[in-house]
Amino acid sequence: GQNIDQPTEMTATEGAIVQINCTYQTSGFNGLFWYQQHAGEAPTFLSYNVLDGLEEKGRFSSFLSRSKGYSYLLLKELQMKDSASYLCAVRDEYNFNKFYFGSGTKLNVKP
Amino acid sequence: SQTIHQWPATLVQPVGSPLSLECTVEGTSNPNLYWYRQAAGRGLQLLFYSVGIGQISSEVPQNLSASRPQDRQFILSSKKLLLSDSGFYLCAWSDGARTSLGYTFGSGTRLTVV
Repeated sequence: GQNIDQPTEMTATEGAIVQINCTYQTSGFNGLFWYQQHAGEAPTFLSYNVLDGLEEKGRFSSFLSRSKGYSYLLLKELQMKDSASYLCAVRDEYNFNKFYFGSGTKLNVKP
Repeated sequence: SQTIHQWPATLVQPVGSPLSLECTVEGTSNPNLYWYRQAAGRGLQLLFYSVGIGQISSEVPQNLSASRPQDRQFILSSKKLLLSDSGFYLCAWSDGARTSLGYTFGSGTRLTVV
């Protein structure tokens, strides 16, 4: 089966840095995606990693280690608007149309 | 630019009633289309996907069905809703040729079966 694990909830302070972890055990792997989802809204695409290492996009960075089945999303200079759920998703190795999503990490940013 | 429209935004339906949710994409051709369901506190569950008109792949048979009558139209249906069908339904599209861009989701339909 496919197993994607993320912490359920995290709290951080405005202006700080927070790291959201994702571990996965899947029968195959062809890329890991991070999405942001504000309450009651649709997810929006944040980042994509297929090779090991760090991908940086402004205040957001995502890291992948395929040998460890591990990724993290790093958010710098936190803003109140970053309060949202962050979803980790692994793409199936053989079917690009199939993604396995974690349950999401709810991030609360406090003043 | 590409846009995705999904409606209705909210729906309250009695058990045993039919369902039809519609999704359309503009600004692109031959998109890959998807229906996901998100239950409270759980991850997104892929229900159906389509890579072309009339081509439907089902991941979760249950009592739901999907159809793609036109290139940029994707419909989710049920003949008789169950209480367990309640959830947040999301339509999404992707460009099959640009797999690093992930999905673009519609705004979602919150379905409550009573």
